[in-house]
Amino acid sequence: DAGVTQSPTHLIKTRGQQVTLRCSPKSGHDTVSWYQQALGQGPQFIFQYYEEEERQRGNFPDRFSGHQFPNYSSELNVNALLLGDSALYLCASNKMGGLRSNEQFFGPGTRLTVL
Amino acid sequence: ELKVEQNPLFLSMQEGKNYTIYCNYSTTSDRLYWYRQDPGKSLESLFVLLSNGAVKQEGRLMASLDTKARLSTLHITAAVHDLSATYFCAVDAIQGAQKLVFGQGTRLTINP
Repeated sequence: DAGVTQSPTHLIKTRGQQVTLRCSPKSGHDTVSWYQQALGQGPQFIFQYYEEEERQRGNFPDRFSGHQFPNYSSELNVNALLLGDSALYLCASNKMGGLRSNEQFFGPGTRLTVL
Repeated sequence: ELKVEQNPLFLSMQEGKNYTIYCNYSTTSDRLYWYRQDPGKSLESLFVLLSNGAVKQEGRLMASLDTKARLSTLHITAAVHDLSATYFCAVDAIQGAQKLVFGQGTRLTINP
């Protein structure tokens, strides 16, 4: 049973560029959430997708956008990159509804470095 | 706005000793999660605590939840080096929504 997968593993970009990160949820899961984890900090919630719509959003600017596809996979897009966007980006998935629906499983992350 | 605070933030201890990590949160919630993170790695789920008074144990780790006090504890018994990692607690900002708010993390180092 495949867990949450993310690509790429590492990415280096320069300020002002745009980046797309990808996530495939754990088998049987239909909800994907994205988190940003700066070095030495706890993860911060960016947004959540369910049924191909953004359901929840954290305190992130509109430069951060996303998408969910019919197969439940998801993309995170960041425009006009800033140095402060350098972080580990984590994708998490869960199955909406059910007794333990809210246990999220995290992917390995994408390490983004902005120069 | 929900705030989650852990203490201590750094903990260095010797093998064989016992210690407790505390997690306080600012608004009502009946679900609390504990995760482990090794350097450069992702988050590994340790415990999901779903109700007041919940207690779960796995090996040398035991977690508990007191929703009235808005407090969870992660107790380490007879620590071993392999438990060295950063431990995070997290709470749903909106009940059931899985919009998790994390604590700052506790970096645990266990010395031989």
